[in-house]
Amino acid sequence: AQSVTQLGSHVSVSEGALVLLRCNYSSSVPPYLFWYVQYPNQGLQLLLKYTSAATLVKGINGFEAEFKKSETSFHLTKPSAHMSDAAEYFCAVSRLNTGNQFYFGTGTSLTVIP
Amino acid sequence: KAGVTQTPRYLIKTRGQQVTLSCSPISGHRSVSWYQQTPGQGLQFLFEYFSETQRNKGNFPGRFSGRQFSNSRSEMNVSTLELGDSALYLCASSLGEVIDEQFFGPGTRLTVL
Repeated sequence: AQSVTQLGSHVSVSEGALVLLRCNYSSSVPPYLFWYVQYPNQGLQLLLKYTSAATLVKGINGFEAEFKKSETSFHLTKPSAHMSDAAEYFCAVSRLNTGNQFYFGTGTSLTVIP
Repeated sequence: KAGVTQTPRYLIKTRGQQVTLSCSPISGHRSVSWYQQTPGQGLQFLFEYFSETQRNKGNFPGRFSGRQFSNSRSEMNVSTLELGDSALYLCASSLGEVIDEQFFGPGTRLTVL
């Protein structure tokens, strides 16, 4: 079985501060990992993905994530938060023999305080 | 290139009715997945279709069904609607051969009264 745990359903940061959104996965085989962002009344947009290449993955809008096998983590970071980063963020996991069946975390709502 | 489109965007139905949602994937994409999003359960996988065949299925009752046409467009049907079926239904498409980035549509907001 595989699953994703996102610690912290709500995170607040000041504008310009570091953003850290946590994601831990459980998977019996090497996973594929994704971070998606969802703005109100919209679908999900891919931020970045890990597919067993480089462990530090850079995505759009200045976000990046590091795959740490020893910690089974794939935390999302951004050095400096912007007001436009306020949204819901989802971590997802899949693996090769399940096709495109993604397992999503429960999401983290990011608030950016001016 | 046009994105994933879903129709209708909003639906209101009453208990016991049935509903059909439609999804048009990005041109060239052969895989279409459906997800249900609710505040309580989050994003849950319903099923995935690839080249007109159901390739994966989530843990939902048989009232939820789907199909995919030869042009990769997909429909999802829910019969005998229950109040708990109220949700945002998201469709995602991808090229499909291996795990790949999924491109999501804006969703269909279904309200069951």
